[in-house]
Amino acid sequence: ETGVTQSPTHLIKTRGQQVTLRCSSQSGHNTVSWYQQALGQGPQFIFQYYREEENGRGNFPPRFSGLQFPNYSSELNVNALELDDSALYLCASSPSIAGGREQYFGPGTRLTVT
Amino acid sequence: SQQGEEDPQALSIQEGENATMNCSYKTSINNLQWYRQNSGRGLVHLILIRSNEREKHSGRLRVTLDTSKKSSSLLITASRAADTASYFCATVFSGGYNKLIFGAGTRLAVHP
Repeated sequence: ETGVTQSPTHLIKTRGQQVTLRCSSQSGHNTVSWYQQALGQGPQFIFQYYREEENGRGNFPPRFSGLQFPNYSSELNVNALELDDSALYLCASSPSIAGGREQYFGPGTRLTVT
Repeated sequence: SQQGEEDPQALSIQEGENATMNCSYKTSINNLQWYRQNSGRGLVHLILIRSNEREKHSGRLRVTLDTSKKSSSLLITASRAADTASYFCATVFSGGYNKLIFGAGTRLAVHP
């Protein structure tokens, strides 16, 4: 069974640019969530996708957007990058959209905005 | 803003000692989960406790939940240097979808 994978591992971008982060969910998992973790903080929920539809969103501006594909893999897109977007971006998959299941996290993408 | 708060923020102990971390939260929950994170990488799920459960064990881990006080604790017994990591509690709201709300975490250092 393959776990959650994310690419790239590290990324350096300039303020104002756009970035796309990718996530492959664990086999059989139809729900993918994205989290942003600033240095020294806990992860903050960005949004969740279930069967290719956004199912919920945290307190992030519209320049954070996402996609989920028929194979349940997902992308996180961030436009007009700001310095505060520098963080570890974590993808997590779950076998169910229901609130009673654990989530399986990928290793994360470290984004640095200069 | 984050739902929960962990206490202490940092904990330093010797191998073989027990480590206790506490978590408080603000609203009614479906369940509470504990995760471990090594060196700023991905999180690993440790244990899930549902709102109708009071205590749960997994190996050297013991988790308690007190819904009247909106608090939980994680006990790691006979700690090892490999337990050095950050530990986070995360809550799932009652009636909500599977969205985790994390606290700021406890950084645990276990010295040989």
